[in-house]
Amino acid sequence: GQQLNQSPQSMFIQEGEDVSMNCTSSSIFNTWLWYKQDPGEGPVLLIALYKAGELTSNGRLTAQFGITRKDSFLNISASIPSDVGIYFCAGQLGSGGSNYKLTFGKGTLLTVNP
Amino acid sequence: NAGVMQNPRHLVRRRGQEARLRCSPMKGHSHVYWYRQLPEEGLKFMVYLQKENIIDESGMPKERFSAEFPKEGPSILRIQQVVRGDSAAYFCASSPHSEQYFGPGTRLTVT
Repeated sequence: GQQLNQSPQSMFIQEGEDVSMNCTSSSIFNTWLWYKQDPGEGPVLLIALYKAGELTSNGRLTAQFGITRKDSFLNISASIPSDVGIYFCAGQLGSGGSNYKLTFGKGTLLTVNP
Repeated sequence: NAGVMQNPRHLVRRRGQEARLRCSPMKGHSHVYWYRQLPEEGLKFMVYLQKENIIDESGMPKERFSAEFPKEGPSILRIQQVVRGDSAAYFCASSPHSEQYFGPGTRLTVT
């Protein structure tokens, strides 16, 4: 089956620093999504990408859909303490039927030191 | 517009008992997905349902697990004769099309 490799596994940064994380896949996806999960809660959708090469921003977050459709990255600029959490990438084939299920990476644990 | 609702948030069952997890999708969403998350892991797809239909159950164990999404009422994930390995967080997501929005999850502990 499809697998997503997400890196790094964890990051420790100082408040105000920028951070970057990425996902690579062994096969193509037609949609990439980035989620953030706080302890004891469900994942919250941050950014959705639908087109190869697409670059999308949401506040201090920027994500890109790789040209090969096998990778995506997420950048967070000027980190703040509330950015702490686990960030997941997820890929989706789309286009009907069972292709809507999401394949998740294992997550990047982000710690921000004030 | 309320988000995806799941209950109970925490469920403790003894080995051999049944667990029933409920999910109410966001208003207007007709697609429901169930995922399982083990500690320090990503979410793993279990089953995809639309109203009264199972579209894809390829991620669900063949025995003891079943899911439904009736015409009226919430979607139910049912685990019969639970074992310790079923302990996990179970998340439901709903979507109008491709973007999926998750509920807060049910944490199942099997003792």
